[in-house]
Amino acid sequence: GNSVTQMEGPVTLSEEAFLTINCTYTATGYPSLFWYVQYPGEGLQLLLKATKADDKGSNKGFEATYRKETTSFHLEKGSVQVSDSAVYFCALSQAGNNRKLIWGLGTSLAVNP
Amino acid sequence: GAVVSQHPSRVICKSGTSVKIECRSLDFQATTMFWYRQFPKQSLMLMATSNEGSKATYEQGVEKDKFLINHASLTLSTLTVTSAHPEDSSFYICSAREAGAGGYTFGSGTRLTVV
Repeated sequence: GNSVTQMEGPVTLSEEAFLTINCTYTATGYPSLFWYVQYPGEGLQLLLKATKADDKGSNKGFEATYRKETTSFHLEKGSVQVSDSAVYFCALSQAGNNRKLIWGLGTSLAVNP
Repeated sequence: GAVVSQHPSRVICKSGTSVKIECRSLDFQATTMFWYRQFPKQSLMLMATSNEGSKATYEQGVEKDKFLINHASLTLSTLTVTSAHPEDSSFYICSAREAGAGGYTFGSGTRLTVV
């Protein structure tokens, strides 16, 4: 079945450090891929998405490229800020079955000043 | 952009009572609504999927008689936790999707504490 595997956290970085959070998936066909962010005490927000191979999603300095050959969608940011501290979730959806989302376990990021 | 309003944000109830959580799509028609449960420091667990006017489809292991879902209109879905017990304490999140649209919009979540 479909699944999403995320690198385990927590991840702790200093401000302005480079961030990578790995995400790989297992799915048939061509799923859409998402990164969601959950700030402390808040609900989920869509950070970025990609709907086909080689697409790059980007938002707020974060980027992720849909790599079908490696079934990956790694999240990157060149210079993190304290305000980026949150939990990041990788997810996929496929056509049919109400397009329900399949979630990774989430990666907690703490950025220290 | 699309907004889903979820209420209440926090609720404390006594064991044995029922609690209703509402999710409203404010500027779009939510043809499909997803209800999730999130345990501390864990991922989201999909509880059920509902389409407007139809019975909800529950995931394996989720008691449909305990977690009642109503999606009677295109802008409102409710989750009622019946005869709540302390083990039902959790963070519940709704998500709505408009037919033909690619995105999912999440409510801000409800923290349920059963005492």
